[in-house]
Amino acid sequence: DIVMTQSPDSLAVSLGERATINCKSSQSVLYTSNNKNYLTWYQQKPGQPPKLLIYWASTRESGVPDRFSGSGSGTDFTLTISSLQAEDVAVYYCQQYYSPLPAFGQGTKVEIK
Amino acid sequence: EVQLVESGGGLVQPGGSLRLSCAASGFTFSSYSMNWVRQAPGKGLEWVSYISSSSSTIYYADSVKGRFTISRDNAKNSLYLQMNSLRAEDTAVYYCARDGVYSGDRSYYFDYWGQGTLVTVSS
Repeated sequence: DIVMTQSPDSLAVSLGERATINCKSSQSVLYTSNNKNYLTWYQQKPGQPPKLLIYWASTRESGVPDRFSGSGSGTDFTLTISSLQAEDVAVYYCQQYYSPLPAFGQGTKVEIK
Repeated sequence: EVQLVESGGGLVQPGGSLRLSCAASGFTFSSYSMNWVRQAPGKGLEWVSYISSSSSTIYYADSVKGRFTISRDNAKNSLYLQMNSLRAEDTAVYYCARDGVYSGDRSYYFDYWGQGTLVTVSS
């Protein structure tokens, strides 16, 4: 089974500053046949279902603000919020879909400092 | 507008059964794979099960294999999860989620989620 580990578990960032969340997979999620990383990011606000932000590691979902970006390849990935806004307070999850049995990271809680 | 509405949650005793439903609208349900994902109170997300658009391919998490059964009725635009031999650790909000890849043959990312239905397993 592929295990996803996020770091940190929580972080507090000042409004307008950069927030960086890391996600590491226990094995590569890069399919060499199509050169795609099978990694996605979600945002979950309290009392709401998760919302898709990024897929294929770096493709932003339609309607997602461009302050959100995804990067990385193989086993190490990053979600960056370039300028944190109040509405970005949430828990963020990475998820691999390289395996037919998807797996999520444990989540990273982002708060305002 | 894509809508997914779960129902069927509630309080059930350990060892009991429950059937969840998810009503889909706003898209061609028969063309998309679907998933169930759960979230225990205050915890993270856990993928539970996947079913392809034609029901030909099904996957389960090890934690529910042999106890849960996923199914769908494309004529009724509905997804189901039959849960048997329920345990306290199955207590969670259960979400149905659409797979983001059209006519996919396995689970990818989830582009639409329902609001969830709460299942509580307790005596």
